[in-house]
Amino acid sequence: RKEVEQDPGPFNVPEGATVAFNCTYSNSASQSFFWYRQDCRKEPKLLMSVYSSGNEDGRFTAQLNRASQYISLLIRDSKLSDSATYLCVVRSGTYKYIFGTGTRLKVLA
Amino acid sequence: EPEVTQTPSHQVTQMGQEVILRCVPISNHLYFYWYRQILGQKVEFLVSFYNNEISEKSEIFDDQFSVERPDGSNFTLKIRSTKLEDSAMYFCASSRQGGNTEAFFGQGTRLTVV
Repeated sequence: RKEVEQDPGPFNVPEGATVAFNCTYSNSASQSFFWYRQDCRKEPKLLMSVYSSGNEDGRFTAQLNRASQYISLLIRDSKLSDSATYLCVVRSGTYKYIFGTGTRLKVLA
Repeated sequence: EPEVTQTPSHQVTQMGQEVILRCVPISNHLYFYWYRQILGQKVEFLVSFYNNEISEKSEIFDDQFSVERPDGSNFTLKIRSTKLEDSAMYFCASSRQGGNTEAFFGQGTRLTVV
C-alpha cells in the first residue's frame, strides 16, 4: 500500500462548483497533515494544515479522520485560478514529509 | 515574507559531471530538506538535515549524493557524477521545527543531464 494515496484525476468542474478531494495514508502513527497546491512546473505551496478538529480558510475546508486514516479537502465556489494540482502531504516522524501523487483540478469557464 | 531561495533556476550538465545545487532556507528555520520531482511524477523525499547532520535519507540518496551546510545560511546538494535519470526538478525546503510545523519550498532548480 502506498504511504499517501490520492486519486490523480483530473477533475474537470465548472466555475462555481464545489469539489472534494480525498487522500488516505498508511502510517497510523502520522501526526501532521497538510494540503499543498502545485502549479505546473512550480514549487509546492502550502494551502493549509489539517487539524484533528477540521479547519476552514475561506472557500477551503480540510477534514481529518484518524480512525479511517483519511484526509479531505473541499473547495467551494471554484474559481478559474483554483486550477492546479492539489498535493496531500503527511509528516512521517520528525524528519520527513511524504507526498501523494496529487490530484489535478481544472476549473472550466 | 521570508522565503526559501534556490540557485540556479536551471542547470544543464553533461553526464558524469558534478553539480551543486544551492539553497538559502528561511533564516529562523532549523530543519532542511531536499526533494526531487521527475517530470510528470510525484514529489519524492531525498534527505533531511538537522543540527548539522543528516537526519533521514531515502533510497534515492545514495553515495552519489551529499548535502552540506557550509555556513550559517546556505544548504547545498551535490551530485558527484550525474546520470541521465538525475534529470528532475530539485526542491529545497525548510521548516521551523519538527512536530506539526509546515515546510516551505523554494522555487526549484531544474536539472537537465545530457
